[in-house]
Amino acid sequence: AQSVTQPDIHITVSEGASLELRCNYSYGATPYLFWYVQSPGQGLQLLLKYFSGDTLVQGIKGFEAEFKRSQSSFNLRKPSVHWSDAAEYFCAVVRSFGNEKLTFGTGTRLTIIP
Amino acid sequence: DSGVTQTPKHLITATGQRVTLRCSPRSGDLSVYWYQQSLDQGLQFLIHYYNGEERAKGNILERFSAQQFPDLHSELNLSSLELGDSALYFCASSYTGSSGNTIYFGEGSWLTVV
Repeated sequence: AQSVTQPDIHITVSEGASLELRCNYSYGATPYLFWYVQSPGQGLQLLLKYFSGDTLVQGIKGFEAEFKRSQSSFNLRKPSVHWSDAAEYFCAVVRSFGNEKLTFGTGTRLTIIP
Repeated sequence: DSGVTQTPKHLITATGQRVTLRCSPRSGDLSVYWYQQSLDQGLQFLIHYYNGEERAKGNILERFSAQQFPDLHSELNLSSLELGDSALYFCASSYTGSSGNTIYFGEGSWLTVV
């Protein structure tokens, strides 16, 4: 079965600093990969997704993620964070065939300090 | 706004009671998913319906049941509620449910069992 690991439970970053959130997956083939964000008391919003093609994908709110097959990783990045980026971030995978559900990582909580 | 609508947004009920959570998928989406988010279990897949038929089951308790109606809205029924059922329940939808379709989430229904 596929699994997703987000090794950082909590990250604190200064406003304006760069950000990288880590995500590793375990699966025999290349899955479809997603990043979702959950603001306090809110639902899950899709930031970006990777299905195939260019391994660097752009998302909303200035986020990007890079798929690295050799490292089984799909790390999320942002060059300069804003206070409004404080939220919980979830990496998710789905197998690249069939009718499959999303498997989520445990999430990384991002705190922004002034 | 993802286009997925969930009601009620908040619900407080007593142990042993039964509640129904309702979900309207995005216009045109045929698949509906239910997820449970709790502090100890994280985001867990419960069940997937496609065009009225159950497609996949995850970690759904026998006390829980769901259905998708001809108009494609879905209901999640939770019965004999226990304190541990307190969680945020998400509904999500996608066009077909095949891998490669983006899954969009609603804002969730907060259930508190007292």
